[in-house]
Amino acid sequence: DGGITQSPKYLFRKEGQNVTLSCEQNLNHDAMYWYRQDPGQGLRLIYYSQIVNDFQKGDIAEGYSVSREKKESFPLTVTSAQKNPTAFYLCASSPDRFNQPQHFGDGTRLSIL
Amino acid sequence: QKEVEQNSGPLSVPEGAIASLNCTYSDRVSQSFFWYRQYSGKSPELIMSIYSNGDKEDGRFTAQLNKASQYVSLLIRDSQPSDSATYLCAANQGGKLIFGQGTELSVKP
Repeated sequence: DGGITQSPKYLFRKEGQNVTLSCEQNLNHDAMYWYRQDPGQGLRLIYYSQIVNDFQKGDIAEGYSVSREKKESFPLTVTSAQKNPTAFYLCASSPDRFNQPQHFGDGTRLSIL
Repeated sequence: QKEVEQNSGPLSVPEGAIASLNCTYSDRVSQSFFWYRQYSGKSPELIMSIYSNGDKEDGRFTAQLNKASQYVSLLIRDSQPSDSATYLCAANQGGKLIFGQGTELSVKP
């Protein structure tokens, strides 16, 4: 089945640790996105990528990094510089970034130990 | 940044009634609009896309767009308890989706 796979479903981070969230899609979509959702809040854009080897900062990129080495994969690293990482992280993709809807993976819940 | 505004609710309707969810946006150049449903603890699910003024119907759902008033709405007819969720409105601005904070809908049996 085509879709977006995020892993792990739950992740715990220790103080000073970097952690990487995986996002893989087999929809052949060009554009991929990472969002953060805090309780009772809407979605805030962290990073997005339109094509391989290219990505742009969203509204809250500080403390995060990404790579787009393959069309299917867009991993997000939450670095130790992100002081408040506890949130629900959502990866999405769309055929392109112009007027096409985005479809979401199941998300990763990140907590601090 | 341009904004998308929704009433946070909760909006409570009896089973079988029409639920009306509203959204306003500030960026006049937005061309496409989306409604997502998000159950508690789950990821958003696309339920409607609308690109031109007027109404678009899909089953029990009708999306309405008025670009002059910068207003988007979602009507849910014959509301069911399974419709109880948070509904997110999103507008495409320069290739990025800007989301509202969501409206919580509760459908009472």
